[in-house]
Amino acid sequence: AQKITQTQPGMFVQEKEAVTLDCTYDTSDPSYGLFWYKQPSSGEMIFLIYQGSYDQQNATEGRYSLNFQKARKSANLVISASQLGDSAMYFCAMREQNTGNQFYFGTGTSLTVIP
Amino acid sequence: DSGVTQTPKHLITATGQRVTLRCSPRSGDLSVYWYQQSLDQGLQFLIQYYNGEERAKGNILERFSAQQFPDLHSELNLSSLELGDSALYFCASSVREGGTGELFFGEGSRLTVL
Repeated sequence: AQKITQTQPGMFVQEKEAVTLDCTYDTSDPSYGLFWYKQPSSGEMIFLIYQGSYDQQNATEGRYSLNFQKARKSANLVISASQLGDSAMYFCAMREQNTGNQFYFGTGTSLTVIP
Repeated sequence: DSGVTQTPKHLITATGQRVTLRCSPRSGDLSVYWYQQSLDQGLQFLIQYYNGEERAKGNILERFSAQQFPDLHSELNLSSLELGDSALYFCASSVREGGTGELFFGEGSRLTVL
């Protein structure tokens, strides 16, 4: 089974609107971390946001927030007030405590912000 | 700036050749990961080192090898290169071998095999 599933290969959003990028994960480890990375066309991987499995509140970092639904094993990224510079690939990732040397990535979602 | 340094940033070579990609992790990070990202592909985990020792192996070809040196920098050696080896190769580092902390990525080395 896939550890990280991103079902949206491509998404479009109007500038200044909010967008949600979906991510589901699969783990039996009670302790894990969930991450979102942004990869613009220039290629670098930029860390956006982190959610720990024991965190009670959803993580937020500026315009990024993570909608963490533990029972559903869902960790969707919400980008508010989209900007043209948000156009990029977005990867969801997970790291488990017990297998911490494994870092699992989804296949990514390509986001295009339309002016 | 993540603090992870990769060289070279771009590399063009011919089939059959051998190249070495270099990575310097963030100061204090003991764990180094190598990933391969081919065109329109996700990130494929290749190999992980922790404090000089190999810790995990992913989909790394036998033509590829890596090592982590006492000063913690790492090198990924790619030999008998094929067209399909053209990809963006990322190095990432983290403080510990395990745990749930984030990975810090370098800017990648873009390899083109002609």
